[in-house]
Amino acid sequence: GDSVTQTEGLVTLTEGLPVMLNCTYQTIYSNPFLFWYVHYLNESPRLLLKSSTDNKRTEHQGFHATLHKSSSSFHLQKSSAQLSDSALYYCALSGRSNTDKVVFGTGTRLQVSP
Amino acid sequence: DPKIIQKPKYLVAVTGSEKILICEQYLGHNAMYWYRQSAKKPLEFMFSYSYQKLMDNQTASSRFQPQSSKKNHLDLQITALKPDDSATYFCASSQDWGGAETLYFGSGTRLTVL
Repeated sequence: GDSVTQTEGLVTLTEGLPVMLNCTYQTIYSNPFLFWYVHYLNESPRLLLKSSTDNKRTEHQGFHATLHKSSSSFHLQKSSAQLSDSALYYCALSGRSNTDKVVFGTGTRLQVSP
Repeated sequence: DPKIIQKPKYLVAVTGSEKILICEQYLGHNAMYWYRQSAKKPLEFMFSYSYQKLMDNQTASSRFQPQSSKKNHLDLQITALKPDDSATYFCASSQDWGGAETLYFGSGTRLTVL
């Protein structure tokens, strides 16, 4: 079945350094939908980015990700980390549009320090 | 104001008892879901409803029963509670049913079974 791998459980960074959170996936479907959800403490998880277009950069709130079907990756990046970026980040996959099942990765906790 | 209301926020139950988790969404969405997050595990899809119709059930146990009295309402009844049921249960909704849809999450109900 579909799966999502986020290799880092915890990423600690100093403010101002670049952010890169890894996400790779497996699916038998050729046109998957990839998502990044962010979960701030004491809030609800919410969508940060989503994409289904190969090799197209998607941006929101300073973060960006590019779906690369050739490498089955959808890494999340930001040029300069801010303290307010500290949160839990989930990469998620839906293999096709006519399904409701979204598979989530285990999440990466990003901690940004001064 | 929160658009997806989950009640209660915290719940403690004894083994063998029954509890109902409440979820109401005020986004005008047509699809609703339940996800579960156990300790150190990813968000796990449980159920989906579209226009109050059960679309998918990925929960092996019949102890988990969703209940939809209105289109914007999806409760989760859990019977014969076990310690392994301890988790945070997230209700979510999307405009329509489908894998490309953005999920909007409630703040979760953290259930502890003693």
